[in-house]
Amino acid sequence: DIQMTQSPSTLSASVGDRVTITCRASQTINSWLAWYQQKPGKAPKLLIYKASSLDSGVPSRFSGSGSGTEFTLTISSLQPDDFATYYCQQYNTYYTFGQGTKLEIK
Amino acid sequence: EVQLVESGGGLVQPGRSLRLSCVTSGFSFESYAVSWFRQAPGKGLEWVGFIRSKTYGETTQYAASVQGRFSMSRDDSKSIAYLQMNSLKTEDTGVYYCSRDVYAYVWGSWGQGTLVTVSS
Repeated sequence: DIQMTQSPSTLSASVGDRVTITCRASQTINSWLAWYQQKPGKAPKLLIYKASSLDSGVPSRFSGSGSGTEFTLTISSLQPDDFATYYCQQYNTYYTFGQGTKLEIK
Repeated sequence: EVQLVESGGGLVQPGRSLRLSCVTSGFSFESYAVSWFRQAPGKGLEWVGFIRSKTYGETTQYAASVQGRFSMSRDDSKSIAYLQMNSLKTEDTGVYYCSRDVYAYVWGSWGQGTLVTVSS
């Protein structure tokens, strides 16, 4: 099975900050990586697929990069609505999620 | 508007069965694969399995943790997908989500989830 490891597990930041979340795969997944945002009590929301493609309607302050085993999600200028938990997911071989990164208000 | 609505969750004893439904609207259901995910209380997301469209034989794939106990089916005439869960275990407790693929098995439209609690 492909393991996905996110860091950090928790991130404290302020509105306007630039933040980066890292996701590492236990083996190469090419660019078959998605990022999801989840708020308490809600379903996950797709942000990015194929490592760097923004889903329709997702603000341009979100961006993704990477390939192989190392990936990042960057939010260029945090907005109040962005405080949530973020998950990476590989879909090279079925599906595996990272453990999540909780983005908190500092 | 694309909508997916899960139902059928509830409290069930270990070893018993439960069937979840995913009622959809707003898109051509027969053309899309449907996947199920779950999330244990306070935990992360886990893929459960998916069912392809009729074009791809309605074939299914399951996570190892549910293989042999869970099965998926679909009724294209009603735009509903089903998750049949047998031999339930306490570790199957969680919110179950159904989802439709938006970019070749990338899951971009999700339901609100239904809670399954397996407990004696």
